Amino acid sequence: GNSVTQMEGPVTLSEEAFLTINCTYTATGYPSLFWYVQYPGEGLQLLLKATKADDKGSNKGFEATYRKETTSFHLEKGSVQVSDSAVYFCALSDLGGGYNKLIFGAGTRLAVHP
Amino acid sequence: GAVVSQHPSRVICKSGTSVKIECRSLDFQATTMFWYRQFPKQSLMLMATSNEGSKATYEQGVEKDKFLINHASLTLSTLTVTSAHPEDSSFYICSARDSAGAHTDTQYFGPGTRLTVL
Repeated sequence: GNSVTQMEGPVTLSEEAFLTINCTYTATGYPSLFWYVQYPGEGLQLLLKATKADDKGSNKGFEATYRKETTSFHLEKGSVQVSDSAVYFCALSDLGGGYNKLIFGAGTRLAVHP
Repeated sequence: GAVVSQHPSRVICKSGTSVKIECRSLDFQATTMFWYRQFPKQSLMLMATSNEGSKATYEQGVEKDKFLINHASLTLSTLTVTSAHPEDSSFYICSARDSAGAHTDTQYFGPGTRLTVL
């Protein structure tokens, strides 16, 4: 079945460092890919998405490119801030059963220190 | 746009009682809503898919008699945890898909409800 694998955390960085969180997926067909962010005690917020191969999603300085050849959707940011500290979830849309479910990775906790 | 609310945000109840959690799409219509459960420091586990006007579709291993879902309108789905026990304590999160919007593959999430069963 479809699945998402994320790099294990926690990831600890200093402010202004470069961030990469790896995400790879297994899927039949051509799913849409998403990154969601969860701040402490809150629900998930959509960070960015890409719907087809070679699409680049971007938002708030974060970006990720849909790579079909490597089945990856790595999240990157050039200069992180303390306020970026959160848990990041990679997900893909699964049309199985016609309900367009989301399948999530395990999540990667990011801690940014001043 | 695309705001989803949940109520209550936190609830503490005694073992054996039932708790109802509401999920509302505030500025869009959602024929489909999803209910997730999240354990501490873990990912989201899909419990069920809620469909307006019809029965919910439950994931394998989720007890449909324990977690009752009602999707009575295009903007409201409710999850009732019946005869709650301490092991039901968790963070419950709903999401909604904008049925008529341009991004029907995108789910918008509520802020979550923290349930504690004593």
